[in-house]
Amino acid sequence: DTGVSQDPRHKITKRGQNVTFRCDPISEHNRLYWYRQTLGQGPEFLTYFQNEAQLEKSRLLSDRFSAERPKGSFSTLEIQRTEQGDSAMYLCASSFSGGANEQFFGPGTRLTVL
Amino acid sequence: KNEVEQSPQNLTAQEGEFITINCSYSVGISALHWLQQHPGGGIVSLFMLSSGKKKHGRLIATINIQEKHSSLHITASHPRDSAVYICAVRLNTGNQFYFGTGTSLTVIP
Repeated sequence: DTGVSQDPRHKITKRGQNVTFRCDPISEHNRLYWYRQTLGQGPEFLTYFQNEAQLEKSRLLSDRFSAERPKGSFSTLEIQRTEQGDSAMYLCASSFSGGANEQFFGPGTRLTVL
Repeated sequence: KNEVEQSPQNLTAQEGEFITINCSYSVGISALHWLQQHPGGGIVSLFMLSSGKKKHGRLIATINIQEKHSSLHITASHPRDSAVYICAVRLNTGNQFYFGTGTSLTVIP
C-alpha cells in the first residue's frame, strides 16, 4: 500500500455513459497526476495538478475528459459519453514538489466500456 | 517514435542470474524513475535518479546523462522479482513524465 487510494477499483459501463473516478493522494503531497494505461503499454500522461491548479494537460486528452482537484486534496477524473476505446486502467500518482518529486501510485481503476 | 525506449521487451532468467534492463531516452530530462509493476496493476517506485548510481538491496540503478541511458540491474535474481519494470523520465521543461513500455521479467526457479 503506497498511501494513494483510488475508487472504484473496477468499473464496467455501457458506451455513452458518464463515469467518474476518485483519487486520494498522500496527504502531504501537493502534486497529483492522472495516467491511462492499456495492456502491454506503459502509463500515458493525461494531466497533472499542483495543489488545486491544473498545470499540464496532454494533447491526447479529448474534451470528453475533465479532471478537478477542488481543494488541493482529492481529485476526480470524469469521462463523458464513454467509448470502447476508453477501456483502460486509469492510474493516479502523487508526489511532493519540494523533494525529488518521486511519484507514488495508486492501485488504479480498471474501466471496461461495453 | 516513443521518447523512452526499453530493452529487452521480455526477459526470462534462471534464479540467481544477474539481470540488466536498459532504458534510452531522446529528450532532455531532469530525472529518471524506475518502477516495478506486478500483475493486477500496482506500481511501486524503485529509484528516482538524476545522476550516478543508486543501490537498494539487490537492485542497482545507474544513469549516464550524456549518453541518455540508464540501466537497472538485479543481482541474485529470485522468482519474486518477476514483474514488469518500467522506466519513466521527467522532462526538464516541466513536470510531465514519459514512460517506456516496460520490460517483462520472468525468473524461473
